[in-house]
Amino acid sequence: QSALTQPASVSGSPGQSITISCTGTSSDVGNYNLVSWYQQHPGKAPQLMLYEVTKRPSGLSDRFSGSKSGNTASLTISGLQAEDEGDYYCCSYAGSSWVFGGGTKLTVL
Amino acid sequence: QVQLEQSGAEVKKPGASVKVSCKASGYTFIDYYIHWVRQAPGQGLEWMGWINPRTGGSSYAQNFQGRVSMTRDTSISTAFMEMTRLTSDDTAVYYCARDLVAHTLETFDFWGLGTMVSVSS
Repeated sequence: QSALTQPASVSGSPGQSITISCTGTSSDVGNYNLVSWYQQHPGKAPQLMLYEVTKRPSGLSDRFSGSKSGNTASLTISGLQAEDEGDYYCCSYAGSSWVFGGGTKLTVL
Repeated sequence: QVQLEQSGAEVKKPGASVKVSCKASGYTFIDYYIHWVRQAPGQGLEWMGWINPRTGGSSYAQNFQGRVSMTRDTSISTAFMEMTRLTSDDTAVYYCARDLVAHTLETFDFWGLGTMVSVSS
């Protein structure tokens, strides 16, 4: 199972919006609405930000939103804040297994 | 509150085995699947497998089949991940993570802090 494809890095200024893409195949992203996104700060465990493509865990900011079209899922962060800086990973169910993206480093300028 | 407390860092020689524990608290242990995910230094996340604490059933990623075993002890609400025939490529932080939804395989919600496993001669 190959890793999902994410851009290595994205950046934006405070208050702006950014979008991170996550491209898979018809065996994972394209076949299941079980795409999730994780934020990870250096030296910390990942934190679930979105699941089932668009759903936010309780208490998570509505600045984070998700979508999917075909084999590509996307995470959009609006109103960028300094604390959004970190690594972001997408993950998809792939039928009896899960596959992660390679990760995207978000820099808030 | 949900907590997953993992065992401490390990240093192993190539060819050895390691067993990492993950003690759950703050919820009913047998109601949620536990996943294991690892992260090599400076690298991304890699899903390893899951265990159903209620039944003991498990499933492993193809990359780890034959070398990983996931077990649990319900009397102490603890899940274990044992990996054999370690190589330097297995140097990584190993995380346990609870599934999001009870009795269902969905995604990874609460995570442990991770256990660093270093493999070096």
